[in-house]
Amino acid sequence: NFMLTQPHSVSESPGKTVTISCTRSSGSIASVYVQWYQQRPGSSPTTIIYEDNQRPSGVPDRFSGSIDSSSNSASLTISGLTTEDEADYYCQSDDNGYRVFGGGTKLTVL
Amino acid sequence: QVQLVQSGAEVKKPGASMKLACKASGYTFINYYIHWVRRAPGQGLEWMGIINPGGSNTRYAQKFQGRVTMTRDTSTSTVYMEISSLRSDDTAVYYCARWGYYFDHWGQGTQVTVSS
Repeated sequence: NFMLTQPHSVSESPGKTVTISCTRSSGSIASVYVQWYQQRPGSSPTTIIYEDNQRPSGVPDRFSGSIDSSSNSASLTISGLTTEDEADYYCQSDDNGYRVFGGGTKLTVL
Repeated sequence: QVQLVQSGAEVKKPGASMKLACKASGYTFINYYIHWVRRAPGQGLEWMGIINPGGSNTRYAQKFQGRVTMTRDTSTSTVYMEISSLRSDDTAVYYCARWGYYFDHWGQGTQVTVSS
């Protein structure tokens, strides 16, 4: 079993770039794909990154994902921030068929 | 278009059971696994389990084993999740989600409130 740890909150100004980390507690981050989901208040989650760094159709290229084996972490980077990006963001991976979510990061754009 | 439409809000008393529905349309029902995920107030997303509509096999998060049962009805393309012995900390929004390399479609969510 492993955990995915995210910062509780991050904040940045409109137009800037922010990176949200997701650190795996044990085992290699590179061994299983990581997904990222965005959830705005009152809405269902939506996928913004799948398989570490792939964007579903319709997701702007301001959103990008990566993994770093040296820190055993995945990262979500959002550039050109707008107030519409204000939401909760979750990383997710797989533990032998059991899905694991990170605790979520609240992004504030101010 | 793919749609997952969930049943309406529920208010239950502690100790009761409930059965939530997730009706799929717009694709071949048996070809995609369905997961259930919940979000309690002030908490993050929590994975509950998975059902294979094509074979009815299931897998549940350890936390919910023995208290959650997922079933499906292929004639109506509907997946169900029954939770027994409800507690106040089961108060949450419950989502069904289709897995196609990732959670590619989500239901609109069902608000469940457990209160005496």
